[in-house]
Amino acid sequence: AQSVTQLGSHVSVSEGALVLLRCNYSSSVPPYLFWYVQYPNQGLQLLLKYTSAATLVKGINGFEAEFKKSETSFHLTKPSAHMSDAAEYFCAVSDGFNKFYFGSGTKLNVKP
Amino acid sequence: GAVVSQHPSWVICKSGTSVKIECRSLDFQATTMFWYRQFPKQSLMLMATSNEGSKATYEQGVEKDKFLINHASLTLSTLTVTSAHPEDSSFYICSARDLRGSNTGELFFGEGSRLTVL
Repeated sequence: AQSVTQLGSHVSVSEGALVLLRCNYSSSVPPYLFWYVQYPNQGLQLLLKYTSAATLVKGINGFEAEFKKSETSFHLTKPSAHMSDAAEYFCAVSDGFNKFYFGSGTKLNVKP
Repeated sequence: GAVVSQHPSWVICKSGTSVKIECRSLDFQATTMFWYRQFPKQSLMLMATSNEGSKATYEQGVEKDKFLINHASLTLSTLTVTSAHPEDSSFYICSARDLRGSNTGELFFGEGSRLTVL
């Protein structure tokens, strides 16, 4: 079975500061891991995905995530936050072709 | 990436009426689509898996007679909330996988449909 834990339901950073959103997963098989972003009253947009290729994955809007098997983590980072990054972020795990399991989400607030 | 479109984006209805939400894959064929429900300030809850040409698979605790799903073609799945009540008010999101080419099965999401039942 797969599951995802996102630590911190709310994260607040200043504009220009580092963004770090945490995600830990559990999976009985090699996982596929994803980060999605959701803006208010919209669906989810894929930021990046890990599918057993490079462990450091680069996504859109300057985001990247590193798959660390030993830590069962897939934390999302961005070197410098922008006001437009304020949104809710969801980490998800899948075994590839079956169900997705989403974390509880982390709302990112960016202060001017 | 692939495009999934939902309609309507917003719907307000009276208690006891039925509401249909459409989910379309615009540039690819989707044999499987997924319907999620999102409560305020919460994550997505998978309601059911919609399979083209066959019955949907519902998650535990989801009333299949309440939430009717039809996947009549490779590009369209519909969710009908029957005899809606205020507790059915929520944000409903559909998604589909695009397995063409280099895509590795990530989900592409519709824009979501906010249902308010008065």
